[in-house]
Amino acid sequence: NAGVMQNPRHLVRRRGQEARLRCSPMKGHSHVYWYRQLPEEGLKFMVYLQKENIIDESGMPKERFSAEFPKEGPSILRIQQVVRGDSAAYFCASSPQLAGTTDTQYFGPGTRLTVL
Amino acid sequence: QQQVKQSPQSLIVQKGGISIINCAYENTAFDYFPWYQQFPGKGPALLIAIRPDVSEKKEGRFTISFNKSAKQFSLHIMDSQPGDSATYFCAARRQAGTALIFGKGTTLSVSS
Repeated sequence: NAGVMQNPRHLVRRRGQEARLRCSPMKGHSHVYWYRQLPEEGLKFMVYLQKENIIDESGMPKERFSAEFPKEGPSILRIQQVVRGDSAAYFCASSPQLAGTTDTQYFGPGTRLTVL
Repeated sequence: QQQVKQSPQSLIVQKGGISIINCAYENTAFDYFPWYQQFPGKGPALLIAIRPDVSEKKEGRFTISFNKSAKQFSLHIMDSQPGDSATYFCAARRQAGTALIFGKGTTLSVSS
């Protein structure tokens, strides 16, 4: 059973370009969370999605950032017009369909974005 | 406002010793408290988790102690090994289907 997959693992962009980060949840998982980790910091929540729905985007900047989780295919975190402050590790986590209170989040290996 | 405070920031322990990492939270609505282990260049991996209806949970060398009245919980690593050297994050969440709120992490180094 493959774990959460993220690609690319490393991404380098110049200021003003677009970054697209992809996340494929574990098999059978329909919930996806995106977190951002800055150096020497813990993970900060960005957005929570279910298939075709954004459930909570309270942690995502209002401008330049967007996320989707289509019916088919991976979840995408898109950052437009990247700036140096966007340089960070972006992690995706997935959890299974909620059953009671069991919703352990399993993390992928992350995408490390560097903005030059 | 930091909802989960973690200490210490870094910790050095001798092989065979006990590593203790502490976390404190503010929101009494939190009902799930996991600990994650992260190695350099990797994603966080769930280590152990506890709910507020129990005061202690043990899995192998790892134990969570939970003090609901003090709003504190801690991770104890018994017989610490060099392979335990990693960054440890505590976290909390309000209910199923909500985001995890993480502490800032503790970098543990176990010297041989």
